[in-house]
Amino acid sequence: EAGVTQSPTHLIKTRGQQATLRCSPISGHTSVYWYQQALGLGLQFLLWYDEGEERNRGNFPPRFSGRQFPNYSSELNVNALELEDSALYLCASSPPGQGETGELFFGEGSRLTVL
Amino acid sequence: GENVEQHPSTLSVQEGDSAVIKCTYSDSASNYFPWYKQELGKGPQLIIDIRSNVGEKKDQRIAVTLNKTAKHFSLHITETQPEDSAVYFCAAYLHTGANSKLTFGKGITLSVRP
Repeated sequence: EAGVTQSPTHLIKTRGQQATLRCSPISGHTSVYWYQQALGLGLQFLLWYDEGEERNRGNFPPRFSGRQFPNYSSELNVNALELEDSALYLCASSPPGQGETGELFFGEGSRLTVL
Repeated sequence: GENVEQHPSTLSVQEGDSAVIKCTYSDSASNYFPWYKQELGKGPQLIIDIRSNVGEKKDQRIAVTLNKTAKHFSLHITETQPEDSAVYFCAAYLHTGANSKLTFGKGITLSVRP
């Protein structure tokens, strides 16, 4: 069974541009989570989508947004990129009804570099 | 909100020795505590978890202990092997209705010397 897949693997942008990252959850999983992993800061929660709806968001500015599609895949958009947005962006998925109180299955991440 | 801290930030042990990684959390209402292992170039993977109604849980060479009074929990790895070298994240889940959230620590880099 395929795990969580993310694309692109690497992305290089300049300040002010927009970045779009994509995530496909494990088949049968309905929840998708996005995390930012910046150097030395651990995993910072960004967004949680379930059944197409945004359920929760972390302490990030509105220029971080996303959506979940009917097939449960998701995309994360970052507008007006800043240098400090450079990080590994991780997507995770979980089965229906579990939420974050069970195993989250992570992808390998998308490395965003802002120059 | 919840605040999770990990100590130490790096840990180096000799192969075959035990490793202990500690985490503290701030909100006594947190009730679920997972540990994730992240190998180089990969996403984090759950290795063990514990819920607040249990004090200890073991899975082969790995164990987790929870002290709810002191608000800390620890990961114990026995008979360490080079493949245990990775970044380990602890997390705590706080249920507060619409803002329920899993909060991760900053991670600890474990190095196992052959």
